[in-house]
Amino acid sequence: QQQVKQSPQSLIVQKGGISIINCAYENTAFDYFPWYQQFPGKGPALLIAIRPDVSEKKEGRFTISFNKSAKQFSLHIMDSQPGDSATYFCAARGAGSYQLTFGKGTKLSVIP
Amino acid sequence: EAQVTQNPRYLITVTGKKLTVTCSQNMNHEYMSWYRQDPGLGLRQIYYSMNVEVTDKGDVPEGYKVSRKEKRNFPLILESPSPNQTSLYFCASRGLAGSDTQYFGPGTRLTVL
Repeated sequence: QQQVKQSPQSLIVQKGGISIINCAYENTAFDYFPWYQQFPGKGPALLIAIRPDVSEKKEGRFTISFNKSAKQFSLHIMDSQPGDSATYFCAARGAGSYQLTFGKGTKLSVIP
Repeated sequence: EAQVTQNPRYLITVTGKKLTVTCSQNMNHEYMSWYRQDPGLGLRQIYYSMNVEVTDKGDVPEGYKVSRKEKRNFPLILESPSPNQTSLYFCASRGLAGSDTQYFGPGTRLTVL
């Protein structure tokens, strides 16, 4: 049973464009939603995270939008750069838990 | 430098030959975890540990063992590896208080022939 559904599986964006990756969850007990960025040959690293008490969080060119009623959250990368090319994972964690449930990942390619 | 280290980074072995992948963190984290990453399946948790001598199964524990005798170390043991355990493995850790951030190691690429 997949608790966090991520789409698309792969994404190609031109330099300067906006990259959008979407995730949906079913478990209403989730209360922490991080995004991880993974470059080839490296482990995932936390990029940005949000809690459901806010609808949006922005850090530089990266923004999480959160829709609690729809049980969806998304990552927007503004002014996408070739250096953003990586695999992105959304995740969710239940209240009082330390375990993360990950989406299946999105491979982003930003072409010049 | 705060980090999670794994060894070896690459390993090719044969079916049935016991192996251990080591994981160590220098951040005094209580929580440690092992994941495997497979194409199209994302990251799936194998085992986790909340502290020394406290371990529990994740989503895909079959064929794996772990131990947590020291706070900093959390080795993953494959007693009789099989080809379906060919994967990319990641160790991760986080503290139980303060930051929510989970830190990942660099990964171990395992091939079982």
